[in-house]
Amino acid sequence: EAQVTQNPRYLITVTGKKLTVTCSQNMNHEYMSWYRQDPGLGLRQIYYSMNVEVTDKGDVPEGYKVSRKEKRNFPLILESPSPNQTSLYFCASTRQGATDTQYFGPGTRLTVL
Amino acid sequence: GQNIDQPTEMTATEGAIVQINCTYQTSGFNGLFWYQQHAGEAPTFLSYNVLDGLEEKGRFSSFLSRSKGYSYLLLKELQMKDSASYLCAVRDQWAGNNRKLIWGLGTSLAVNP
Repeated sequence: EAQVTQNPRYLITVTGKKLTVTCSQNMNHEYMSWYRQDPGLGLRQIYYSMNVEVTDKGDVPEGYKVSRKEKRNFPLILESPSPNQTSLYFCASTRQGATDTQYFGPGTRLTVL
Repeated sequence: GQNIDQPTEMTATEGAIVQINCTYQTSGFNGLFWYQQHAGEAPTFLSYNVLDGLEEKGRFSSFLSRSKGYSYLLLKELQMKDSASYLCAVRDQWAGNNRKLIWGLGTSLAVNP
């Protein structure tokens, strides 16, 4: 089954404790991105990756890092989480073509205390 | 600036028809997407328009007028399971390598029995 998976689905952590949210897709897509979704602000892109070893900042990259060592995986790293990073996070993978349909992972609800 | 407007909330009755409007102002245009998002879940792709006119897909149709910067999503024979948020998103052709979408805040649709 074609899918994007994220782990963990839910996480409660404390300020300053490094964490990684994993994202994996089995569709051989080249383009992947991370979003955060907050009430009243909608979906905002954090980072994106055009292909292996090619990543760039989206609209709200501060406080986040990513890596793309393999085509299927695109982890999101919070080196020193802060309460303003409490949010719902989505990883998305894009089938490049006429429509560029984005396939979203199930989401990770992160709470930073 | 880049801006996408959609109504915040709408209510409709099971079996009825509802039209969700979206207006956009972007520096470029290379396609408009509609996604459905149930509460706490990931957005899922509904439709894509790049040329003016109506695209029909079962109970859902989407219309685009590029000259007016306007689109609508039409949902027919509403079912309770259609209660969700509907997100309008535009791909700005000047985004370069980034297949980034500019997202509206979504329209929360409540379908009542």
